[in-house]
Amino acid sequence: AQSVTQLDSQVPVFEEAPVELRCNYSSSVSVYLFWYVQYPNQGLQLLLKYLSGSTLVKSINGFEAEFNKSQTSFHLRKPSVHISDTAEYFCAVSDGDTGGFKTIFGAGTRLFVKA
Amino acid sequence: DGGITQSPKYLFRKEGQNVTLSCEQNLNHDAMYWYRQDPGQGLRLIYYSQIVNDFQKGDIAEGYSVSREKKESFPLTVTSAQKNPTAFYLCASRDRGPYNEQFFGPGTRLTVL
Repeated sequence: AQSVTQLDSQVPVFEEAPVELRCNYSSSVSVYLFWYVQYPNQGLQLLLKYLSGSTLVKSINGFEAEFNKSQTSFHLRKPSVHISDTAEYFCAVSDGDTGGFKTIFGAGTRLFVKA
Repeated sequence: DGGITQSPKYLFRKEGQNVTLSCEQNLNHDAMYWYRQDPGQGLRLIYYSQIVNDFQKGDIAEGYSVSREKKESFPLTVTSAQKNPTAFYLCASRDRGPYNEQFFGPGTRLTVL
């Protein structure tokens, strides 16, 4: 069965510093990878996704993630964070081999951006 | 605007009572999902439905029930058999295909008094 591991439960960082949120998934022939963001007391919103093609995908607000098949990783990065980036971030995988009706979510990483 | 609505936003229940959480979508999505979120545990799948009149148990279905009589609606009932129902409940939908992302509602916070 597919699984997703987010290696850090909390990441504190100062404003304007770079950040990396780590995500590893269990291997499968074909996977589709997602990062979602959740602000307090709200639902999840899609941040970015990898389906195929270029291994580097970017969001409109400066986040990017790189698909690394050999390391089965999909780490999320931002070169300079803002206070408004404080939220919980979830890595997720959808398995194309088994129909992909279920999406497996990681446990989440809480990003705290400090002034 | 297309999206998913959940109601109510906050819900209080006495022990021993059943309660139903509403989830409606106007995105014309086939698949719908219910998740439970507890602090530090991420999202856990309760039930999902791929098509009208069909649904499957997720990882933590005990004490919950669902129905899918219409494509737009996927209500979740939290029964008195659920031992620890206080949590944040999220509904989501997705179009066909594993490459499609899920769209989430704003959530319902259930508190058992």
